Amino acid sequence: DAGITQSPRYKITETGRQVTLMCHQTWSHSYMFWYRQDLGHGLRLIYYSAAADITDKGEVSDGYVVSRSKTENFPLTLESATRSQTSVYFCASSGQTSGANVLTFGAGSRLTVL
Amino acid sequence: GDSVTQMEGPVTLSEEAFLTINCTYTATGYPSLFWYVQYPGEGLQLLLKATKADDKGSNKGFEATYRKETTSFHLEKGSVQVSDSAVYFCARGDTGRRALTFGSGTRLQVQP
Repeated sequence: DAGITQSPRYKITETGRQVTLMCHQTWSHSYMFWYRQDLGHGLRLIYYSAAADITDKGEVSDGYVVSRSKTENFPLTLESATRSQTSVYFCASSGQTSGANVLTFGAGSRLTVL
Repeated sequence: GDSVTQMEGPVTLSEEAFLTINCTYTATGYPSLFWYVQYPGEGLQLLLKATKADDKGSNKGFEATYRKETTSFHLEKGSVQVSDSAVYFCARGDTGRRALTFGSGTRLQVQP
């Protein structure tokens, strides 16, 4: 399917477990992003990537790890999940033809940490 | 740091009412400005944008004008429909990294 897809859409895990959220885009966009959405905070940037093998931290990166070995994939890993990481996570991408700062979002992954 | 502030919701309107959602920003320079919309259970979709001062972005009957003097980008629509019920996010472009900084979102509920 064309577009940007996230998996899983819903995940329940326990404190201390490792969780990986997947993001795949079919446009070969250079830029990819992970945001988390929490009530009262809007969306906050966790990590972003300008190209394969180039990643950088956003404002709320503590407790998260990313990798980008291929342009189309940008997985987000919670190495040891905490309750405060219960949130809805959105992946987004942006390409040269999108226009500067124009992001296209996936449908989101809702994570619950018990 | 640079931020985006938008009015708290929920905003509840009757169908065909006039809508305004206020948004102000702080930034170094003149960033691009955006409104995104999120329908229930979905990701965010770009609604409109403006890239420089005095630009007006418009789409689906919604409009917003980039006001440099007041650092604002208020969203307006002359006649809302039930199908406009959603959460609206104001955002500004981050210089140098292509990301967006978002406001906290405003929920709009339109009643028939």
